Amino acid sequence: SQQGEEDPQALSIQEGENATMNCSYKTSINNLQWYRQNSGRGLVHLILIRSNEREKHSGRLRVTLDTSKKSSSLLITASRAADTASYFCATGGEGSSNTGKLIFGQGTTLQVKP
Amino acid sequence: DSGVTQTPKHLITATGQRVTLRCSPRSGDLSVYWYQQSLDQGLQFLIQYYNGEERAKGNILERFSAQQFPDLHSELNLSSLELGDSALYFCASSVNLEGPNTGELFFGEGSRLTVL
Repeated sequence: SQQGEEDPQALSIQEGENATMNCSYKTSINNLQWYRQNSGRGLVHLILIRSNEREKHSGRLRVTLDTSKKSSSLLITASRAADTASYFCATGGEGSSNTGKLIFGQGTTLQVKP
Repeated sequence: DSGVTQTPKHLITATGQRVTLRCSPRSGDLSVYWYQQSLDQGLQFLIQYYNGEERAKGNILERFSAQQFPDLHSELNLSSLELGDSALYFCASSVNLEGPNTGELFFGEGSRLTVL
């Protein structure tokens, strides 16, 4: 079963604009990760934020985590046409459920128009 | 290139048949994970192996089974195939540290299964 929901399901923006995607989850987590998937390809890890962190940056990516609201957001700044892809959040379990497996959300499909 | 190799890339078969999907993890990774991605169910966790032993189980059907061999490669066996089993099947691997150090997964390019 899915851990949570992502919002929006689809997002279309112009090149140069910022894109924000949100993710909500249901259970306690050890960390939250974001992945990118180009159409029909394998998923690629973007960034990991641990449960005791609130914000993390990597290049044009900014991730926030609010464990009290069980939510996270991914911001892509100055988007490019090459950022067109699906983006998934994934959560790693806490305590005895921390086997390393990740539970993925439904994903946000981002289209960046040139 | 993630370093995870999956074969075959594409597979077309008929209902009722059995197929085997193969995964070679990144060098040094002890954990292998199988995921199923379909349009209606999204990305579903099926099963995880760590150093040859089953570590976690997700929504894996009884018609499906998997194993991890001593050389750490893994196989996912799908039997009595149904139309609804058509999907992308991904293998991922990780070093899989215990405790709070759960890290990123490295995904293969997937095996696209079409059941006719």
